[in-house]
This record gives sequence, structure tokens and C-alpha cells, in this order.
Amino acid sequence: TQLLEQSPQFLSIQEGENLTVYCNSSSVFSSLQWYRQEPGEGPVLLVTVVTGGEVKKLKRLTFQFGDARKDSSLHITAAQPGDTGLYLCAGGGIQGAQKLVFGQGTRLTINP
Amino acid sequence: GAGVSQSPSNKVTEKGKDVELRCDPISGHTALYWYRQSLGQGLEFLIYFQGNSAPDKSGLPSDRFSAERTGGSVSTLTIQRTQQEDSAVYLCASRSGQPTYEQYFGPGTRLTVT
Repeated sequence: TQLLEQSPQFLSIQEGENLTVYCNSSSVFSSLQWYRQEPGEGPVLLVTVVTGGEVKKLKRLTFQFGDARKDSSLHITAAQPGDTGLYLCAGGGIQGAQKLVFGQGTRLTINP
Repeated sequence: GAGVSQSPSNKVTEKGKDVELRCDPISGHTALYWYRQSLGQGLEFLIYFQGNSAPDKSGLPSDRFSAERTGGSVSTLTIQRTQQEDSAVYLCASRSGQPTYEQYFGPGTRLTVT
């Protein structure tokens, strides 16, 4: 059973466009993290959100945690080729567990 | 400071052979995780160590998979009698304390079973 659903799974857009990636679940999480992974490397943490309704910004990236702490979104403004990569959301703290549950990832390609 | 390191970076083995994958976590991190990632996909949890507690092995796909963590630091993931479906990237991550469960990943070991 996939507890975290990411959409879209693949996204290819032109440089300068905006995009949003979604991460949804029927479960409540104590925290939600977003990672970015490039080929041949491990995932790198971008942000952690812990409070329902929380919004965090990292340059052109905006992350939001849903009010009920069941979903999250990643919005990129004016995408650049350097944003290309695999974006993974991960939820922590289900039923007290200390392991993360990962979504299947969104493969983002920004074309010059 | 030094991040999580894994070795080897690549491993090619014949079906039926045993392999050992190594992870050196960030110094001082009490928790260590192993994940498996098939080509371009999300991460599949395998096993989790926390301090001196019994490991959470709930993600191990079969009894051919095992892992140990010696002295609360270095960990080894062992796959016995490898099968072609074991081919994947094996990622290790370590974590400091609560509450945000942030994990820091190594570069992974790409395992290819021929």
C-alpha cells in the first residue's frame, strides 16, 4: 500500500515556467520532508515542515504543509535547468514510527 | 563535516553469490537506515537501527537480506544468494535526534546481479 502519492510522476516544462508538485496521503504525519535527488547521488534534504498550514520558501521554491498534515505541495517559480532532478516527499511520524515513508517521486525536467 | 559514506559505489555480482554493502554514518547520529531504490523510483525502506534497541527489520524483503550495526556506528547490509531482482541502488541514511526525523543520505551502492 502506497501511503504517499506524488503527482505528477513526470513533468517536462520550459525554462521560466511555473510548476507545482503534489504529495497526498490519507494518513496524518508529524513532519513532511522534501528531498531532491540527482543521478548517481543520494537524496538531499530541501526542507522539513512540521506545523499544519506551514509555508516555507527556499529561493524560488515554496513548500506548504496541509492544514490537516496529510498533504504537501512544492511550487517552483520561473523554473531553471538546474532544477532538473527527482523530487521526493517523505512523511514521518505515523503512529509514532521513526522511519520515513517516501512517495514514488516526481521526475522534473526543465528544458532550456 | 563528513557526510554519510557508502562502499562500494558499484558492485557487479553473479546470481547466487553473497554481497556485503557498507555504510559509515555521520558521527554522533544515533539512527541508521537502509533503503532500496529501483531505477528512478522512490525509496523502499529495508531496516532501521536506533541506538541499542532491537532493529526494525519490517522492510526486509526476504530472509536472504540481513544487516548489522557494530558499535553503534558502521553498518553492513548483507544479501545472500543474490537474485537478479535484487539489482537496485542501496541507500544508507543517518539521523540525529527528534523531532523532525531529518535523514542524511549517502551516495548509494549500485548493485547489479548478472
